[in-house]
Order: sequence, then structure tokens, then C-alpha cells
Amino acid sequence: DAKTTQPPSMDCAEGRAANLPCNHSTISGNEYVYWYRQIHSQGPQYIIHGLKNNETNEMASLIITEDRKSSTLILPHATLRDTAVYYCIVLETDSWGKFQFGAGTQVVVTP
Amino acid sequence: GAVVSQHPSWVICKSGTSVKIECRSLDFQATTMFWYRQFPKQSLMLMATSNEGSKATYEQGVEKDKFLINHASLTLSTLTVTSAHPEDSSFYICSASLRRDRGYFGPGTRLTVT
Repeated sequence: DAKTTQPPSMDCAEGRAANLPCNHSTISGNEYVYWYRQIHSQGPQYIIHGLKNNETNEMASLIITEDRKSSTLILPHATLRDTAVYYCIVLETDSWGKFQFGAGTQVVVTP
Repeated sequence: GAVVSQHPSWVICKSGTSVKIECRSLDFQATTMFWYRQFPKQSLMLMATSNEGSKATYEQGVEKDKFLINHASLTLSTLTVTSAHPEDSSFYICSASLRRDRGYFGPGTRLTVT
């Protein structure tokens, strides 16, 4: 059973922020939220992860709600190269590296 | 950053033959690696966990006798698809963890069985 729910697709204009939602209402206290993306015919690329605090790195920001039941990945200035499938994954600490992928969100960035 | 490579990038084999796919962690040691399979327009499916020096752990529904995994060293895991059939044609991806908080994925191997 999928632990996360994401919209199947999203369009985003180049240069604008892309906000990708993810629901994980059954998340438990020892589970992290991870985001990966997969550009066509390539291996997944790590973006960011967090437990309960908001996180930011050079690629994106991760906003986790206070009840931890949902999160949003923010790509601050989308480029055409950000077109990819984005996966939100919940991972428990006893299963480091053992990712269970859902269907993800196909993001298309348009000029 | 940590790099995981796979070899070959793509392979075509005839039905009934076996094919080996290598996964290497280039600049770090990985006691655990993972193998995934991805069919066209589908998501990645975890196949097995590869443990250095011990037997692999397979996910439910994955045939261990068909997909042989060998993790012979801290930088190399191999997946052998035995007696391949056209339905085994897929994109095979491995991953390894440098730190306990993230996984690094290889570029994938495209297998086509004719």
C-alpha cells in the first residue's frame, strides 16, 4: 500500500516557483520524508529530505506541516531541466536506503 | 558527491540466455545495495537488498532463482538475470547508501530480451 499520495501531473512555467504537494497522513514518528526525481531514462536523483523541520538546500525547499501529514517540495525557479517525475517517499529509520516508490508527479516545465 | 555506476548501460540478449549487470560504488564503500526494476511508464519497484558477504533479501514476488544477486565486495554488486525471457525486458537500477540518511542511484541498465 502506498504511503504517499501525489497528484499525477503538474505544469509549471519556466522561472516560476513549482510547489509539489504530497500527502502522507499515516506517517509515524520515526519516518522521514524524502524527495527524489527521475529525468527520463535516468536513475533517480536525490533532492532533499526531512523529519519534521523545514529544510532547504541548493536545489529545493521542503515544507512539512506541523502534524507531519503532508509536505510540499518547492523548486524556487523552475527551469526546463527540472522536467521530471518527482517522487515523495516516506522512509523509516530501520530501512535506510530501502525506498518504496509510488507513482510520483510528472512535472513539465514550459517556456 | 557519491557516484554509483552501472555496466552495461544497455544490453540486448536472446531469450533463454543469462545476462549480468554490475553496480559499483565508485568513491565509497557500500555494505548494502538495492536493486530496482522499472517497466515503461511505471514507477520503480524494489526487487532485492544486496548485503556484502551474505545472501540477498528478495521482495515478495521476486524469483530469487531467476534474479541472482552477488555482493562480492564493498564496492560491487551484480544482478544476473538467468534464462531471460521477453517479459524480463526492463530498466534495472541499483542504489547504494554512503550515509544512513540518503541513497545514491546508478544510471540504470536497459535490458531487452529478444
